[in-house]
Formats: sequence, structure tokens, C-alpha cells
Amino acid sequence: DAKTTQPPSMDCAEGRAANLPCNHSTISGNEYVYWYRQIHSQGPQYIIHGLKNNETNEMASLIITEDRKSSTLILPHATLRDTAVYYCIVRVESAGGTSYGKLTFGQGTILTVHP
Amino acid sequence: DSGVTQTPKHLITATGQRVTLRCSPRSGDLSVYWYQQSLDQGLQFLIQYYNGEERAKGNILERFSAQQFPDLHSELNLSSLELGDSALYFCASSSQAGGPGANVLTFGAGSRLTVL
Repeated sequence: DAKTTQPPSMDCAEGRAANLPCNHSTISGNEYVYWYRQIHSQGPQYIIHGLKNNETNEMASLIITEDRKSSTLILPHATLRDTAVYYCIVRVESAGGTSYGKLTFGQGTILTVHP
Repeated sequence: DSGVTQTPKHLITATGQRVTLRCSPRSGDLSVYWYQQSLDQGLQFLIQYYNGEERAKGNILERFSAQQFPDLHSELNLSSLELGDSALYFCASSSQAGGPGANVLTFGAGSRLTVL
């Protein structure tokens, strides 16, 4: 799996958009970008994933650059409850026999949302 | 409530002892994963089962073992416990066996193990 690089911490004001960057310059063509977050000592929570097109769901938007070497997770209106560690993970699409779900969590970005 | 149930939530035991952590996946999910989160190692993949069969192993110690039963619940057995085994142990499940969705995991709330 491609290595990812994330800033160790970021701050955001409540109600503003939180933009969390991730660098994955060695990503290969069949690797997806996944975002998870972990609120203090709770189980990680899946947020969103994408291959090359921008994706949006009820939680967030994922913007992947055209060369796919980096991506940005956008929380459009951050709340205090969005304070968490955000993990960017690059993982190959599962194929027969591949150990899918064997996710490698790095250090992530600690996002702190301020009132 | 994520739908993945883990018991016990907290467990305190002594070195040398053996414990069993239990996980019930979301209804219909055939895959179960175990992860360990310690302060110094972060979140680490331990082992994966799919419909009762072991599918992948991470850096799981030989003192640790797991199984998935016919009703799909899973147990993680930790034996000869050491102080360094103190950690949060998470179970996760997934509904898809292939494609990008197979990496979409639903995690439980975790079992916090303290070894004294």
C-alpha cells in the first residue's frame, strides 16, 4: 500500500470548513483513498473513500487531485464533535484472496475544533 | 451504536493470566477483524476471519489466538499476559467480500485491557 503523509495537527473554528490534506505521491492505479476518524478512545469510524473522482456523502467531501498524488478531506461545517484524529489510508481494491480490511493506520491528523 | 458489539468493555487482570475478548459483528457481515491500539504502537491489525476461516494475519503474537464461530461471532484469546499487552482491542466487521467496499470497516467500541 502506498505511504501517506498527513500533518500531525490542525485547528478549525466551529462552523467553518475543515480541510485535511493527505499526500500519497506513490499511489498506484488500483489503490483507493480511504478516510477514517477516531474520536478519543472510541472505535475508528469510516468517513469516505474514492479512487479518482471527487466524492461526497452526508459526512464529508473528498477531493482527489488529477494526478492522484494528494487528496483533501473536507468537513463543510465543523462542529465540536468533529474533534478527532483523522486517518488517510491508501489501500488496494480487494481481489480474490487479497487481505482486504487489513488497514494500515498511521499517526493521522489531530483536528481540534474550537468554539 | 455501530452494530458491532464487544465485551467486556473493561478488563483488569494480572500478568501471566489469560483473557478472552468477544465480538459480535454487524448483522449479515461475514468478515471480522481484530485491531490492537496501544499508546506507543498506534492502531495495528492483528487478524481477519471470513465466514469462519482465517484470511489474514498481522503482527499477532503467538500468545494470542482468535477464532470465528458458525454464528459469526469471534473471540480473541490473549494468554500469558504481559504488561505491554495493556491496550484497547477493537473488533471490526465488513459486509463486502471484494471491491473497494471491502475496506469499509465498522468498528466496535473496543475492549480496554489493563494488565497489572
